Amino acid sequence: DGGITQSPKYLFRKEGQNVTLSCEQNLNHDAMYWYRQDPGQGLRLIYYSQIVNDFQKGDIAEGYSVSREKKESFPLTVTSAQKNPTAFYLCASRKGGTDTQYFGPGTRLTVL
Amino acid sequence: AQSVSQHNHHVILSEAASLELGCNYSYGGTVNLFWYVQYPGQHLQLLLKYFSGDPLVKGIKGFEAEFIKSKFSFNLRKPSVQWSDTAEYFCAVLFGGSQGNLIFGKGTKLSVKP
Repeated sequence: DGGITQSPKYLFRKEGQNVTLSCEQNLNHDAMYWYRQDPGQGLRLIYYSQIVNDFQKGDIAEGYSVSREKKESFPLTVTSAQKNPTAFYLCASRKGGTDTQYFGPGTRLTVL
Repeated sequence: AQSVSQHNHHVILSEAASLELGCNYSYGGTVNLFWYVQYPGQHLQLLLKYFSGDPLVKGIKGFEAEFIKSKFSFNLRKPSVQWSDTAEYFCAVLFGGSQGNLIFGKGTKLSVKP
């Protein structure tokens, strides 16, 4: 079954702990993205990667880190420096040379 | 700064009513325009998109949108909504081509009463 998978669907962490969210795609897409969705705020770009071993900060990168060691994987780490980490996190990918991003099912992170 | 505005936060309609959701964007040269939909508990899905050509684009489930360049608008329409259209709708604009960033509006929640 092709697509973008994010795991887990729900994640709970204690304040002060780092947590890594998984995003995998088997679509052979070149670019991958991480967004944060808050109620009434739409989606805001955290980090993106156009190719393997390269990534750029988005609009709200502070307190987050990413890696892109493999084309199919783009994990996001929410660090303890992120002031308000409780949110719904969406991963997306895009085939090179096209303009449309496709989204995964999301991970809802709750920091207690 | 590049921005996208959606005029309504929450729209409540009865079944069979007509729908129009507004979307405006800041001037930014070449743009590609999208509407995404998020049904309760489901993925964000592409509803329709405009890249070039006919400014009236048709998407899935009877939705359409019209790009009016002079007004920097890309409003979403459906002549007759159904209860199953209850969802959150996001307008998004890609400024500057495929390597640019996709900017989202804040979303409009549509509730359709049966």
